[in-house]
Amino acid sequence: DQQVKQNSPSLSVQEGRISILNCDYTNSMFDYFLWYKKYPAEGPTFLISISSIKDKNEDGRFTVFLNKSAKHLSLHIVPSQPGDSAVYFCAASRVSGTYKYIFGTGTRLKVLA
Amino acid sequence: DGGITQSPKYLFRKEGQNVTLSCEQNLNHDAMYWYRQDPGQGLRLIYYSQIVNDFQKGDIAEGYSVSREKKESFPLTVTSAQKNPTAFYLCASSVTSGRRDTQYFGPGTRLTVL
Repeated sequence: DQQVKQNSPSLSVQEGRISILNCDYTNSMFDYFLWYKKYPAEGPTFLISISSIKDKNEDGRFTVFLNKSAKHLSLHIVPSQPGDSAVYFCAASRVSGTYKYIFGTGTRLKVLA
Repeated sequence: DGGITQSPKYLFRKEGQNVTLSCEQNLNHDAMYWYRQDPGQGLRLIYYSQIVNDFQKGDIAEGYSVSREKKESFPLTVTSAQKNPTAFYLCASSVTSGRRDTQYFGPGTRLTVL
């Protein structure tokens, strides 16, 4: 049972345009969400997070939007740069949990120069 | 320079052999984690440790074992009981095991069983 889903395995975007990566979740107990970026043969690096008390969090070129009623979050990258080409994972954690992140399957973003 | 190191980067093992993957952190983090990544799948939690001398099973602990004798170190042993051990293994740590404590990942070890 995949509780965190990233339905687009890949996405290609032109340099300078907006990249929008989507993530859906099924468990209404999730209340904290994160995005990680991963280059090949490297560990994921933390990008941005959002708590369920917010609907938007912004950090430079990266903005995460949370729609609790739709159980949907998205990561916007503006403007996209070739160095953003990587696999992006969303992750969620539960109100009742302490340690556990549930990860999505990832979306491979390719930014075309 | 603080961080998490994993060694080796690539590891080959014959079927039926146990193998131990190293994970060391100098971030002074209490909590450490082991994940496994397979193609087309998200990261799945194998084991985690909230504090020295304590560890708990994650979602896919069968065929794996860990120890946490020192704060800095959390080695993972892939035993011969693990039916499909070929994967990319990631170690992570966080200040505590609180769910809002960001987990920081090492560079990973790719294990291939021949």
